[in-house]
Amino acid sequence: EAGVTQFPSHSVIEKGQTVTLRCDPISGHDNLYWYRRVMGKEIKFLLHFVKESKQDESGMPNNRFLAERTGGTYSTLKVQPAELEDSGVYFCASSLSVEQFFGPGTRLTVL
Amino acid sequence: AQSVTQPDIHITVSEGASLELRCNYSYGATPYLFWYVQSPGQGLQLLLKYFSGDTLVQGIKGFEAEFKRSQSSFNLRKPSVHWSDAAEYFCAVVLGAGSYQLTFGKGTKLSVIP
Repeated sequence: EAGVTQFPSHSVIEKGQTVTLRCDPISGHDNLYWYRRVMGKEIKFLLHFVKESKQDESGMPNNRFLAERTGGTYSTLKVQPAELEDSGVYFCASSLSVEQFFGPGTRLTVL
Repeated sequence: AQSVTQPDIHITVSEGASLELRCNYSYGATPYLFWYVQSPGQGLQLLLKYFSGDTLVQGIKGFEAEFKRSQSSFNLRKPSVHWSDAAEYFCAVVLGAGSYQLTFGKGTKLSVIP
């Protein structure tokens, strides 16, 4: 069974540009989560989808971040426009219930 | 405020030595508890979890953790460390009751001396 996949693995962009991160969850997992780890800080929750609906987006830092999960399968996280403080590793996880399975993460660098 | 504390940022042990990584949480009720590991270039892998029942839980790769309610702790242990255990370890909690987001500690980086 394939695990959670994320694309790209790395992204380097300039401040003000737009970046879209993609997450493909484990097939059949209704729950999909996004997390972020900024350098030197803890991994922090961004939001939670149940199928295509946003269950909890309390961790989204501001309105420059937009997450979607069309059709309840893969999800995208768009940052527009990117700022320097958005640099970090973005993790996606999926689950059937409590136990979450993580992808390898996307390392985003904003210059 | 609700929080997870991993007091050790970096630990170095010799191969074959025992290991204990500390984790304390600050919540009103007992949350679901997890330990994850991230090896270089890899994603987060679940080592073990505690939901209820026996307070000593066994995980993968020879790790175990003990939940101590009185101390609000969930420390991770391994009796004999292998060089391949060098990685970053994260303690995390879930409050449950419909909110399954993980709250993480800052992580402990483990270095292993041959």
